[in-house]
Amino acid sequence: EVQLVQSGGVVVQPGGSLRLSCEASGFTFQEYTMHWVRQVPGKGLEWVSLITWDGDTTYYADSVKGRFTVSRDNSKNSLYLQMTGLRTVDSALYFCAKDIEEKDYGSAPFDYWGQGSLVTVSS
Amino acid sequence: EVVMTQSPATLSVSPGERATLSCRASQSVSSNLAWYQQRPGQAPRLLIYGGSTRATGIPARFSGSGSGTEFTLTISSLQSEDFAIYYCHQYNNWPPDTFGQGTKLEIK
Repeated sequence: EVQLVQSGGVVVQPGGSLRLSCEASGFTFQEYTMHWVRQVPGKGLEWVSLITWDGDTTYYADSVKGRFTVSRDNSKNSLYLQMTGLRTVDSALYFCAKDIEEKDYGSAPFDYWGQGSLVTVSS
Repeated sequence: EVVMTQSPATLSVSPGERATLSCRASQSVSSNLAWYQQRPGQAPRLLIYGGSTRATGIPARFSGSGSGTEFTLTISSLQSEDFAIYYCHQYNNWPPDTFGQGTKLEIK
């Protein structure tokens, strides 16, 4: 069974930093591109970032570029999102999501999602 | 950035009836369009990808159609568990991937 288990929610002050994690099981993690998608509670979905299956290529939404860094450790079946310079507008539920296609260097539909990590940026 | 526009924002339908949801792209996304269902307190669930291919385990009452800029998700006979929010997602012109704002399907 495919599972994506995310780290818990947290409250952080504006300007602060935080690292989210997503641990994968039930599939060959090292063969799939992974994504981060966020959702303000009660609002829609916003794509944040992707990292290719080999970790060589990353992409970011303009809203987080230069502040967020996506990484992965294929030996630990884990995906990370390092968030710095946090702003109140970054407050959201952050989901990790798995690409449907194996060894894909682009984007593709997301066939499995984590349960979400609630990030609250507030003083 | 491709802007995805879903309509209507809210759709009220009775159980057993058909629901038709629309998604329009600001430019062609070919057939690289997916649909997701999100129930309260849950992560999104992939229903349809490639415009019309049902994801694994998705019931046949869900169907997708369209290409280019106009797409439709049809639920042929609504069950109680189908009342949720539905999002379309284009993965053709990226980054960034973009989502529609969602259609809330509610019980009439």
